[in-house]
Amino acid sequence: DQQVKQNSPSLSVQEGRISILNCDYTNSMFDYFLWYKKYPAEGPTFLISISSIKDKNEDGRFTVFLNKSAKHLSLHIVPSQPGDSAVYFCAASAPGETSGSRLTFGEGTQLTVNP
Amino acid sequence: NAGVMQNPRHLVRRRGQEARLRCSPMKGHSHVYWYRQLPEEGLKFMVYLQKENIIDESGMPKERFSAEFPKEGPSILRIQQVVRGDSAAYFCASSRGVGDTEAFFGQGTRLTVV
Repeated sequence: DQQVKQNSPSLSVQEGRISILNCDYTNSMFDYFLWYKKYPAEGPTFLISISSIKDKNEDGRFTVFLNKSAKHLSLHIVPSQPGDSAVYFCAASAPGETSGSRLTFGEGTQLTVNP
Repeated sequence: NAGVMQNPRHLVRRRGQEARLRCSPMKGHSHVYWYRQLPEEGLKFMVYLQKENIIDESGMPKERFSAEFPKEGPSILRIQQVVRGDSAAYFCASSRGVGDTEAFFGQGTRLTVV
């Protein structure tokens, strides 16, 4: 049962343009959402997050949008840079003492930014 | 301020051997999570530990896998009698505690079973 889904395994954009990565979830108990970036042979690196009480969070070139009614979130990167090329994982967490910061991950989207 | 440290980075084991993966959380972090990433897949939760306690092991295979986080020393993920299907990247993450929404990841251990 894949509770967090990233339906696009790959995305290719030109340098300077916008990258939009999408993520859908099914578990209505999720209340916190995160995006991680991962380079080959390295661990995931936290990028940006959003609480379910918000619909938008912005940090520099990165903006995450959350549509709770549609159970959908997206990550916008503007402008895209070649160094942004990596695998991006969407992750979600649900509250509770036995869950802590336990994360449920999507399958990832490989972003390639072409010079 | 060292991040989450995992060792070894690469581990090769023959079928039937034991694999021991170590994870030292970030300073000040008392919660540890182990995840597994199979080829072409996302990270899957395995187990959540606090010092000397297993909080949630719902993602652990029922046999051959065990984890511990002793009072002193790193967290250990142990895989007994490894099989080829255990080949994967194993990531450890740590956080400060309940209510801390962000977990920091180590660089992972790549296990190859030959």
